[in-house]
Amino acid sequence: AQSVTQLGSHVSVSEGALVLLRCNYSSSVPPYLFWYVQYPNQGLQLLLKYTTGATLVKGINGFEAEFKKSETSFHLTKPSAHMSDAAEYFCAVSELTGGGNKLTFGTGTQLKVEL
Amino acid sequence: GAGVSQSPSNKVTEKGKDVELRCDPISGHTALYWYRQSLGQGLEFLIYFQGNSAPDKSGLPSDRFSAERTGGSVSTLTIQRTQQEDSAVYLCASSFSQGGYEQYFGPGTRLTVT
Repeated sequence: AQSVTQLGSHVSVSEGALVLLRCNYSSSVPPYLFWYVQYPNQGLQLLLKYTTGATLVKGINGFEAEFKKSETSFHLTKPSAHMSDAAEYFCAVSELTGGGNKLTFGTGTQLKVEL
Repeated sequence: GAGVSQSPSNKVTEKGKDVELRCDPISGHTALYWYRQSLGQGLEFLIYFQGNSAPDKSGLPSDRFSAERTGGSVSTLTIQRTQQEDSAVYLCASSFSQGGYEQYFGPGTRLTVT
């Protein structure tokens, strides 16, 4: 069974500071990994994904993540936080099976950006 | 183009009543997923459709929950005899296919059972 652990349910950074949101996964097969962002009262928006190939993945809004198989990690980073980045972030893993590509989500990290 | 749409956006119902939640996926997307987001359980998978078939119903929490998809498009999630623990945001997502493609989420239906 696959699972996702997000360390830190709340993270606070200053505007302009580095954003680092942690995600560790477990999967019995090579995983597909995703980061989604959710703004208040909205659905989930994909930030980036890793399926195969290059382990450093760049996404929208200046975010990137690196797949590290040896550490079973897929941490999300952004060099300089902006006020508009304040939202909840979810890491997710999926395994392609006969049952489709269902996502298993972490518990989410609420990012607060302070002036 | 149009994204995934869901209706209603909010639903308040009395305990014991039945509710139907609707999802309109992106045109051409063959895969459709339902998830539930609640304070206690986080984001949970409910059911997956490929076309009109549901190969994976493993996330449905009880037999009060059912879903169907018609014409390879619209899907309806039905909850019978609603309970307070059913209160949550129900999210629908669609994708081109099952392999690796990102899922596009709708805005969700917020269900409140009183």
